Amino acid sequence: ELKVEQNPLFLSMQEGKNYTIYCNYSTTSDRLYWYRQDPGKSLESLFVLLSNGAVKQEGRLMASLDTKARLSTLHITAAVHDLSATYFCAVDGNQFYFGTGTSLTVIP
Amino acid sequence: EAGVAQSPRYKIIEKRQSVAFWCNPISGHATLYWYQQILGQGPKLLIQFQNNGVVDDSQLPKDRFSAERLKGVDSTLKIQPAKLEDSAVYLCASSSRDRARFGTQYFGPGTRLLVL
Repeated sequence: ELKVEQNPLFLSMQEGKNYTIYCNYSTTSDRLYWYRQDPGKSLESLFVLLSNGAVKQEGRLMASLDTKARLSTLHITAAVHDLSATYFCAVDGNQFYFGTGTSLTVIP
Repeated sequence: EAGVAQSPRYKIIEKRQSVAFWCNPISGHATLYWYQQILGQGPKLLIQFQNNGVVDDSQLPKDRFSAERLKGVDSTLKIQPAKLEDSAVYLCASSSRDRARFGTQYFGPGTRLLVL
């Protein structure tokens, strides 16, 4: 079974700081997705990464994919309170699996 | 553009009862997904439809769960009989392309099921 692990599971950071969320997966795949979920709400697509070395940026978030290392990162630059949410990565191998999620709280 | 619609939004049933959820995808989206999200976990794909055909149902507990997508538009997910561990949020998503062509998925608001 494909395993998708995110680190950290919980992250509390101050506004203005930078941090990185890691997504490790256990199978060969060159398709990885990042989603955001606000409390009690549904999922919102953030990034679709389709090849080794892919990098995408939107506002204060930047995602990258290293298929050889089976690793994706979501980098947060100069965090603001509005980024508080749970972030999921999802890998499309033989099956489609979501990671465990990272709950991010940005403290003013 | 209207988003993915789901109903009901909330449902409380007793174990061994049956329940059905409905999903209307974004107009024109050929691919439809059903997910189960247990509290504190990531969503788990239950079934994927391409038009009205099943593409992936490898994680669907077929002894109690069933899903259909008649006419390639709306879809229903049924649980019969429900167990306590089925308490979760059931999410429907749709995309304009299938997974092989890297479609972005758009999620509905979900149906929160509580089995007592």
